[in-house]
Amino acid sequence: AQSVTQPDIHITVSEGASLELRCNYSYGATPYLFWYVQSPGQGLQLLLKYFSGDTLVQGIKGFEAEFKRSQSSFNLRKPSVHWSDAAEYFCAVVPFSGGYNKLIFGAGTRLAVHP
Amino acid sequence: DSGVTQTPKHLITATGQRVTLRCSPRSGDLSVYWYQQSLDQGLQFLIQYYNGEERAKGNILERFSAQQFPDLHSELNLSSLELGDSALYFCASSVEGRTEYEQYFGPGTRLTVT
Repeated sequence: AQSVTQPDIHITVSEGASLELRCNYSYGATPYLFWYVQSPGQGLQLLLKYFSGDTLVQGIKGFEAEFKRSQSSFNLRKPSVHWSDAAEYFCAVVPFSGGYNKLIFGAGTRLAVHP
Repeated sequence: DSGVTQTPKHLITATGQRVTLRCSPRSGDLSVYWYQQSLDQGLQFLIQYYNGEERAKGNILERFSAQQFPDLHSELNLSSLELGDSALYFCASSVEGRTEYEQYFGPGTRLTVT
């Protein structure tokens, strides 16, 4: 079945530590890939996106993500986490089937940052 | 601030009632999307409009309907409400209706059905 999987529901890191949030997708062809962040009481904000080309994508707020076709993964990384990064992070895809532009979201990973 | 506005911020209503959620897209954006975020279903796409026309439909219940008006604002109508309809409803907009264009999300309307 077509799906987007974020294996980690909760992650806690210390401020200044590195971060990697995992995302795997299951679609026949490589979909368009996105990472969004949702801060408490806020809407979603796009961090970065991958359509094609360079598999390492730079985003806002110091985030980057790497697309690995062989692993059907699009993991989000940040070398040094700040307390303000505490939020919920969603991986999303736009599949090509049916020509839809809808975003299909993973279940999300809630990030807590210890001082 | 994404530039997408949604009203109201919070809505509390009873089962069986009907409500209307409103969304104003960013200036110049032609496409509007509606999403539902609930604890059990997560974030789900409901429906997309582009310049007044329905473009794509997701897991939208028959009790729900939407439209986009000539001034490009959109309304999501939810009727015969059930407890399970309690959720955060997001509107997003983009310049065009194609995937390449970033979707900007509003702050959401939190609906509580009692």
